[in-house]
Amino acid sequence: VLTQSPGTLSLSPGDRATLSCGASETVNSRHLAWYQQKPGLAPRLLIYDASNRAPGIPDRFSGSGSGTDFTLTISRLEPEDFAVYYCQQYGVSQYTFGQGTRLQIK
Amino acid sequence: QVQMVQSGAEVKKPGSSVKVSCKGSGDTFTSHTISWLRQAPGQGLEWMGRIIPILDVGKNAQKFQGRVTVTADKSTGTVFMELSSLTSADTAVYYCAKSTGAGGYYYALDVWGQGTTVTVSS
Repeated sequence: VLTQSPGTLSLSPGDRATLSCGASETVNSRHLAWYQQKPGLAPRLLIYDASNRAPGIPDRFSGSGSGTDFTLTISRLEPEDFAVYYCQQYGVSQYTFGQGTRLQIK
Repeated sequence: QVQMVQSGAEVKKPGSSVKVSCKGSGDTFTSHTISWLRQAPGQGLEWMGRIIPILDVGKNAQKFQGRVTVTADKSTGTVFMELSSLTSADTAVYYCAKSTGAGGYYYALDVWGQGTTVTVSS
C-alpha cells in the first residue's frame, strides 16, 4: 500500500513543493515513479526509479528516497504545475498507486 | 515519437461487455508491455492487466480475474481490453499505457493513450 501526503497542498507560484509517498513495505531497487495528471488528460510520467527524470521533464522536478519513504520536490512552482500527483510502485508482480496529492493554487 | 490512440467513448448496459482498443505507432510493439488502467470519476488510478504483444503473454490484476481479457493483434499493432459483467462501478476512464522497459518485469509507464470513457447505465 502506498500512502501519499498531504492529500491537498495549497501553495503559490514560485514556492517549493514537497510531496511524500510512504510504502507499507520496502520498495525494491527504488522502483517508484511519480506521475502528474491534469484535468481531462492522461497521467504523465515525471520520475522513475525514484530519482530519474523522464525525458523532457524540467529540472525543477526531482525525486528522492529509498526503502519506504519517497519524496517528489518541485523547486519553484510554475502555474502549469498545479495538478494531481500520483506515486506508483512497480517491480515483479503488479503496479500499485498512491491515492494522489492535489497541488492547488493558494 | 511513440503514440497510442484509443477507441471512442462507450455507453453500456449493466451485465454487458465492453471492448476498448489501443493502437500503437512507432516501436510500441517491440517486447515492451502494454498495460490497461482505469480511473473512476474523482478517483485514483487502478491497474487492471497487461500483455507483452510480441509474446502474447498477459497477466491480470487479481481484482479483475475472470472478468478482463487483454489481447493483442500484432498485424495491426493494436491491443484490446474486454471487460465483462459490467456494473455501474465500472463507469470510468480506461487508459492503455506502455512500459519503459522490455520483458516480463514491471516498469514505469511512459506513453499513455488519451483515455476512453466507459459509462455503464440502464
